[in-house]
Amino acid sequence: DTGVSQDPRHKITKRGQNVTFRCDPISEHNRLYWYRQTLGQGPEFLTYFQNEAQLEKSRLLSDRFSAERPKGSFSTLEIQRTEQGDSAMYLCASSSISRTGGYNEQFFGPGTRLTVL
Amino acid sequence: GNSVTQMEGPVTLSEEAFLTINCTYTATGYPSLFWYVQYPGEGLQLLLKATKADDKGSNKGFEATYRKETTSFHLEKGSVQVSDSAVYFCALAGGTSYGKLTFGQGTILTVHP
Repeated sequence: DTGVSQDPRHKITKRGQNVTFRCDPISEHNRLYWYRQTLGQGPEFLTYFQNEAQLEKSRLLSDRFSAERPKGSFSTLEIQRTEQGDSAMYLCASSSISRTGGYNEQFFGPGTRLTVL
Repeated sequence: GNSVTQMEGPVTLSEEAFLTINCTYTATGYPSLFWYVQYPGEGLQLLLKATKADDKGSNKGFEATYRKETTSFHLEKGSVQVSDSAVYFCALAGGTSYGKLTFGQGTILTVHP
């Protein structure tokens, strides 16, 4: 178990460019989440996958954002036509489904810090 | 919808002082409650959790009790150390949320020797 990994760790781009981030969850976890965190705030939910199915998307996820999880393994988050307001830390987390009730903990990756100039 | 409110920070304490960070929540049904911690330069990691009313989560000397009657999950530690300096986030997962977490705004804790 090597934990959740994310790539790249940092991305600097110019406004209007497209960017793509990758997340590799813990291998046996079927739940995968994307969050966005801005300075001084708690993470905010963006989207959720169970296996390869995207089951929920936040209203924060405008049509410039798209996420995939082909084959239920790694996931990608793409932002098209980036804007300065997209600058944030993008976090990926994974978890397993609880068999005893409630919700299991989510394991977070180190995040990708996006700066849009 | 779900929401989490944490006490405003930052919090500054001397080593061996008692710590309380207040957390209250609004949620439908019976959410699971979590405290996550973010040490300087590191990612979010789970500190403790509770999944039903009156459960007490504990780890590394920290404790929090799930109080449904007051919709609270306050974090406490009897004697803080310099190494506890970090940002602490209260969070919940509940209802039909597929386990997505709703976080509080975070509380910065600084412990001085």
